[in-house]
Amino acid sequence: QSALTQPASVSGSPGQSITISCTETSSDVGAYNYVSWYQQHPGKVPKLIIYDVSNRPSGVSNRFSGSKSGNTASLTISGLQAEDEADYYCSSYTSNNRVFGGGTKLTVL
Amino acid sequence: QVQLVESGGGLVRPGGSLRLSCVASGITFSDYYMSWIRQAPEKGLEWISYISSSGNSIYYADSVKGRFTISRDNAKNTLYLQMNSLRAEDTALYYCASDRYCSGGICLRAFDIWGQGTMVTVSS
Repeated sequence: QSALTQPASVSGSPGQSITISCTETSSDVGAYNYVSWYQQHPGKVPKLIIYDVSNRPSGVSNRFSGSKSGNTASLTISGLQAEDEADYYCSSYTSNNRVFGGGTKLTVL
Repeated sequence: QVQLVESGGGLVRPGGSLRLSCVASGITFSDYYMSWIRQAPEKGLEWISYISSSGNSIYYADSVKGRFTISRDNAKNTLYLQMNSLRAEDTALYYCASDRYCSGGICLRAFDIWGQGTMVTVSS
């Protein structure tokens, strides 16, 4: 089974851009194509913000973008705002498994 | 309006059982794969099981394999999770979530719709 590694925390100032990485360690490298990202504010339900590596669901701000290079997917948030302070999780989806990364706490300074 | 509502959580002793339910509304439930995802207090998200739209394909995380059983009743728009041999480490908020939805040849493979969760506490 695969495992997804995220940094425990990242921080940035309002207006800046930050990037959160998500690295997959698995023997099934080719299956790492359906990567999604979720935002979770304290005490709230997770919200899908990126799917299929780089697609945004309707209603999600275009300040959120996703990409992937090799085994590492990335979430970039541009023009940081105070409301972006939250936990962020990546997830990988294969035919017989789903897995979440450990989560990254974003602090807006 | 699109909604998933979980129920069935509570306090149970180690070794005990619980059955969680998740009722869907506002969607064509039978078109969706569904998953159960849990979150232990102050911890991250953990996927634990999914079931295909027809119920013919089911997978579990290793942490619950052999103890938990996922099922669905499309006529009742309801997803279930039977949890047996519960352990302290199963204590968590349990979410149901839509897992995969295909329309017009395009599939969304992500957890798009989430319920509010139901809390399961395993303690003596």
